[in-house]
Amino acid sequence: RKEVEQDPGPFNVPEGATVAFNCTYSNSASQSFFWYRQDCRKEPKLLMSVYSSGNEDGRFTAQLNRASQYISLLIRDSKLSDSATYLCVVSAAYGNKLVFGAGTILRVKS
Amino acid sequence: DTGVSQNPRHKITKRGQNVTFRCDPISEHNRLYWYRQTLGQGPEFLTYFQNEAQLEKSRLLSDRFSAERPKGSFSTLEIQRTEQGDSAMYLCASSPAGTPNNEQFFGPGTRLTVL
Repeated sequence: RKEVEQDPGPFNVPEGATVAFNCTYSNSASQSFFWYRQDCRKEPKLLMSVYSSGNEDGRFTAQLNRASQYISLLIRDSKLSDSATYLCVVSAAYGNKLVFGAGTILRVKS
Repeated sequence: DTGVSQNPRHKITKRGQNVTFRCDPISEHNRLYWYRQTLGQGPEFLTYFQNEAQLEKSRLLSDRFSAERPKGSFSTLEIQRTEQGDSAMYLCASSPAGTPNNEQFFGPGTRLTVL
């Protein structure tokens, strides 16, 4: 079993749609949680950190459920430019390695 | 550009040859990481430096792989006797001391193709 599991998709949605991605992790010692975005043949870039209280950044909302070891990302009012692969990422401790899921592909169509 | 830089961006080599990649982290970032990414997968951790000390190595890092960060600034990753299975994107990331979470900043990667 992989340490971080994601639905690979692809999720094909129209512009303006709301889309949600889920992720589960197996290491209960995980301390830090993130969503990274990766465009085709580019490096991953941090989209947002995820906190237990939940956090929002514009159209993006991330939630963390430590008891269920579950992370989610909600994208509202999808734009064409949101098309990318979204990587769920956990880290066991400060300064430690990042463990990535395989990514969920999002395609937003006009 | 003050981001993480990697050279070369692309490398094509024949099986059995040695290759070396370079990573220049963001200035004053004392942590440097190497990851490998294959098609359809997320990046996988290879190794991690804090300053010049190599603190962790993945089991993925076979004896053919070696990484150095001699002066605590740039790092090199060498692969000896390359195999076709080594074909991948090799990503370098850096992070500063005192980061409240563990945000890492990635370079553009070196894409290796072993023929």
